[in-house]
Amino acid sequence: KQEVTQIPAALSVPEGENLVLNCSFTDSAIYNLQWFRQDPGKGLTSLLLIQSSQREQTSGRLNASLDKSSGRSTLYIAASQPGDSATYLCAVFYPLTQGGSEKLVFGKGTKLTVNP
Amino acid sequence: DAGVIQSPRHEVTEMGQEVTLRCKPISGHNSLFWYRQTMMRGLELLIYFNNNVPIDDSGMPEDRFSAKMPNASFSTLKIQPSEPRDSAVYFCASSPPGSRQETQYFGPGTRLLVL
Repeated sequence: KQEVTQIPAALSVPEGENLVLNCSFTDSAIYNLQWFRQDPGKGLTSLLLIQSSQREQTSGRLNASLDKSSGRSTLYIAASQPGDSATYLCAVFYPLTQGGSEKLVFGKGTKLTVNP
Repeated sequence: DAGVIQSPRHEVTEMGQEVTLRCKPISGHNSLFWYRQTMMRGLELLIYFNNNVPIDDSGMPEDRFSAKMPNASFSTLKIQPSEPRDSAVYFCASSPPGSRQETQYFGPGTRLLVL
């Protein structure tokens, strides 16, 4: 079964701290891996997308890495700010399987609170 | 671009009533997805359309749920009859052609409460 797990479920840090969110997945036959941000009462916004052939992607203070062989990804946030407070979801895009379609499988997210 | 549009944003109904959720994908996108998000189960794919055709409905909970996409700019998710356990946030998302390289764009969601 294709599962995505995120640890920790919640994280609280002081402003300015660098932090790492973790994501693991059970099936390494993936097309890509994405990190999304979800603010309360809002939809999801894509932050970074890493193709299966890539090892990392960077956008501003965010850096996401991918290790397919070990089934792991990390999202690194540098110099965290209160505005970074949100839930961060990891999602793995799996290819067509017997009896199934291509699909994005989500973790349950890490709720991040950055305290001023 | 207005993004993915969903309506209504909030819905409160009584058990047994029919509920219809609506979605307008981003123009030019040819894939549309319906998801359900709950605290217990997280975000789950219910059904996926490509070029208006349902490709995978294995996530649809049971016969009470149905989804249609009559054209490229409109989709509905219907629950009939609704039950309290259907209470959740329902998201619609769309993606452009070449979806293996592209992200999905999510709407703001419909928060459904079934009493």
